[in-house]
Amino acid sequence: GAVVSQHPSRVICKSGTSVKIECRSLDFQATTMFWYRQFPKKSLMLMATSNEGSKATYEQGVEKDKFLINHASLTLSTLTVTSAHPEDSSFYICSAPGQGHEQYFGPGTRLTVT
Amino acid sequence: GESVGLHLPTLSVQEGDNSIINCAYSNSASDYFIWYKQESGKGPQFIIDIRSNMDKRQGQRVTVLLNKTVKHLSLQIAATQPGDSAVYFCAERAGGFQKLVFGTGTRLLVSP
Repeated sequence: GAVVSQHPSRVICKSGTSVKIECRSLDFQATTMFWYRQFPKKSLMLMATSNEGSKATYEQGVEKDKFLINHASLTLSTLTVTSAHPEDSSFYICSAPGQGHEQYFGPGTRLTVT
Repeated sequence: GESVGLHLPTLSVQEGDNSIINCAYSNSASDYFIWYKQESGKGPQFIIDIRSNMDKRQGQRVTVLLNKTVKHLSLQIAATQPGDSAVYFCAERAGGFQKLVFGTGTRLLVSP
């Protein structure tokens, strides 16, 4: 099946710094990708829809200036957490839809802000 | 047994038992439903899906049932194995949109 990768898998950063997370579709093209956030023992919450060639669409309550999304190509979307704070610590997961109904999820990125 | 508390609901079963995990969805316009399995520290893994024009779909050891009247979805796992231990999420998709809305999740614990 199709594969979605994320990099890095884990990152620790200091408060006030910015962190970039990459999401790649390895063997298929994705004009749309989705970014989710997951707190421990909680469900996945959709943050935004990343659109190749246009601005991302953010869900209600998600700060677009805080979570910058760039869909640089048909196989790459990046999420940058700007001026990170400890409350931004979370598990970030991306997904990309396939040709049918399926969605392929990345392995996730664990962000810890100290 | 099943318990609901501040954390994820947990279903504990013995190896070989059949497991039933339930999910209530919210949007009557949703036309596609998926069950995902998530192991600790990993992304969700597709298990089985069902479209809204069906009420049952079977896979290998898994069956999904859809009751649109009460907006209820269930996942049945036959002959549950220790490797099935994980958190299971249902997800729904509203017609015409690709984005998914996830349910709260259930932790399945399988004892050998």
